[in-house]
Amino acid sequence: AQKITQTQPGMFVQEKEAVTLDCTYDTSDPSYGLFWYKQPSSGEMIFLIYQGSYDQQNATEGRYSLNFQKARKSANLVISASQLGDSAMYFCAMREGSGIQGAQKLVFGQGTRLTINP
Amino acid sequence: EAQVTQNPRYLITVTGKKLTVTCSQNMNHEYMSWYRQDPGLGLRQIYYSMNVEVTDKGDVPEGYKVSRKEKRNFPLILESPSPNQTSLYFCASSLYGIRGPQHFGDGTRLSIL
Repeated sequence: AQKITQTQPGMFVQEKEAVTLDCTYDTSDPSYGLFWYKQPSSGEMIFLIYQGSYDQQNATEGRYSLNFQKARKSANLVISASQLGDSAMYFCAMREGSGIQGAQKLVFGQGTRLTINP
Repeated sequence: EAQVTQNPRYLITVTGKKLTVTCSQNMNHEYMSWYRQDPGLGLRQIYYSMNVEVTDKGDVPEGYKVSRKEKRNFPLILESPSPNQTSLYFCASSLYGIRGPQHFGDGTRLSIL
């Protein structure tokens, strides 16, 4: 079963608009964490934001925020005031377990290609 | 400059010819990992290493080997490459294991003919 699902293969957004990229996850582990990475056309992977399952508040990093809805098992990325440079592939990823013992695996979704139009 | 360095960046080779993709990090990170990226599948973890001499399988380890003899290096070995291993490969490292953000190398594009 897919552990991370990104249902939007592609999105087109007008510059300066806010955009939400969807991510749902599946785990029975009470301790887990969710990441978002950006992959521009140049190919490198860039870390954007992280949310732990026990974190009380939604994570924010500059224009990026994570809309964490634990009961719905969703961890959507919100980009405010989009810019042309935000055009890229975006991946949601999940780690399971506390990380102190046990598996240290990271599972990625299929990605969403975001295009910002001027 | 803190970085993860992969070599080669591009390689075209033939089925069955052993190859090694090197990965080196200069951040003293304990955790290192290899991923392959295929269209429509995202990134899939091949192997990871928590520390020197400690390695474990990810989700798609078949056909690959790794070693971690030094903290900074984590080579990926394809003993007998096959066309289904044609892919884009990323090495990554992190300070806090899987709990922290990973620093990725620039990727290695392998084509197995």
